[in-house]
Amino acid sequence: EIVMTQSPATLSVSPGERATLSCRASQSVSSNLAWYQQKPGQAPKLLIYGASTRATGIPARFSGSGSGTELTLTISSLQSEDFAVYYCQQYNNWPLTFGGGTKVEIK
Amino acid sequence: EVQLLESGGGLVQPGGSLRLSCAASGFTFSSYAMSWVRQAPGKGLFWVSTISGGGDATYYADSVKGRFTISRDNSKNTLYLQMNSLRAEDTAVYYCGKHPGSYGPYYIDYWGQGTLVTVSS
Repeated sequence: EIVMTQSPATLSVSPGERATLSCRASQSVSSNLAWYQQKPGQAPKLLIYGASTRATGIPARFSGSGSGTELTLTISSLQSEDFAVYYCQQYNNWPLTFGGGTKVEIK
Repeated sequence: EVQLLESGGGLVQPGGSLRLSCAASGFTFSSYAMSWVRQAPGKGLFWVSTISGGGDATYYADSVKGRFTISRDNSKNTLYLQMNSLRAEDTAVYYCGKHPGSYGPYYIDYWGQGTLVTVSS
């Protein structure tokens, strides 16, 4: 099983600032990685797949990068609606595995 | 518009059974793999099971293998999760999710709103 580790667990950022979220895999996932956003009381929402491809309707301020074991989600200028929990998920192998999440909170 | 609507959650005693359903609309259901993902209260996401578009391939997390059964009825555009021998640690919101292809492994491109399963005496 591929273990996904996200850091930091919590990120305190001011609106308008840049946020960088890390996702590390215990073995290579190539570019088979997705990022999701989840707000309280809501289902997760797909942001990025293929490590760097934005899903339909996702603003350009969200970008994904990296491959192999080190992947990153960057939010270039945080808006109020971006404060949420973010999860990475690998789909290189079964079982599908998620990271533990990074909570992006208002500083 | 893709819509996924889960139902069947509720309170069940340890050792009991429950069947979840997920009604799908807005896409050609039989062409896409579907999954169940759960989230325990205050915790992260955990993949439970996936079934291929035609229903000929299934995959399970080790912790539910032998207790849970995923199935689908493509004539009814409905996904199911039969859960037996339930344990307290199965308590979670269960989401159904659609994948972008027929087999996988894949990411989930659409999620339902979830149904809460509580296992408690």
